[in-house]
Amino acid sequence: GAGVSQSPSNKVTEKGKDVELRCDPISGHTALYWYRQSLGQGLEFLIYFQGNSAPDKSGLPSDRFSAERTGGSVSTLTIQRTQQEDSAVYLCASSLATANTEAFFGQGTRLTVV
Amino acid sequence: GQNIDQPTEMTATEGAIVQINCTYQTSGFNGLFWYQQHAGEAPTFLSYNVLDGLEEKGRFSSFLSRSKGYSYLLLKELQMKDSASYLCAVSPNSGGYQKVTFGIGTKLQVIP
Repeated sequence: GAGVSQSPSNKVTEKGKDVELRCDPISGHTALYWYRQSLGQGLEFLIYFQGNSAPDKSGLPSDRFSAERTGGSVSTLTIQRTQQEDSAVYLCASSLATANTEAFFGQGTRLTVV
Repeated sequence: GQNIDQPTEMTATEGAIVQINCTYQTSGFNGLFWYQQHAGEAPTFLSYNVLDGLEEKGRFSSFLSRSKGYSYLLLKELQMKDSASYLCAVSPNSGGYQKVTFGIGTKLQVIP
């Protein structure tokens, strides 16, 4: 596709349920980021994938959060046993391998845990 | 590690000029990005500075001083549609593993 695609755009889930959020990066982009943004707040880094390197998971807030990237393309962020504080917009971004290139963001998944 | 500081909120008047500052302390530095994010939307790229100095792009200009760890975004002839958050982001120089780090963003409100 032309841009970064995220699905679903909105997700309402009950506390304690697991959710999966999907990101389709721009074709050819080897770098992929997941960020979280609570209402009115800045971007909170979650995880970073770069090619075949081991991902940087330093931003994941707890072991309930995990992410994978299959075949160097599509990525899935999984949140287990969701809590109300997990409610936020989850943004995915991708960029080319070189650091001096802009990141392109998807429109995000708005997660609401009730 | 990376540390990026920018004001959380600013207010400016339509037609005026506003300067949004960003300071950073990083273990390595390649360049600095500015992104714009309207409420409820994804961030979009504005500029990328690698060398010291001012780069102008229409009503928006971005300045970088590598020695001072300082950048600013200058918005001229402010319009109401410029009300948004402006995110400063640093690209480190750490070999092939170059994660971009974002600041918390400056929420700019343009008033009539």
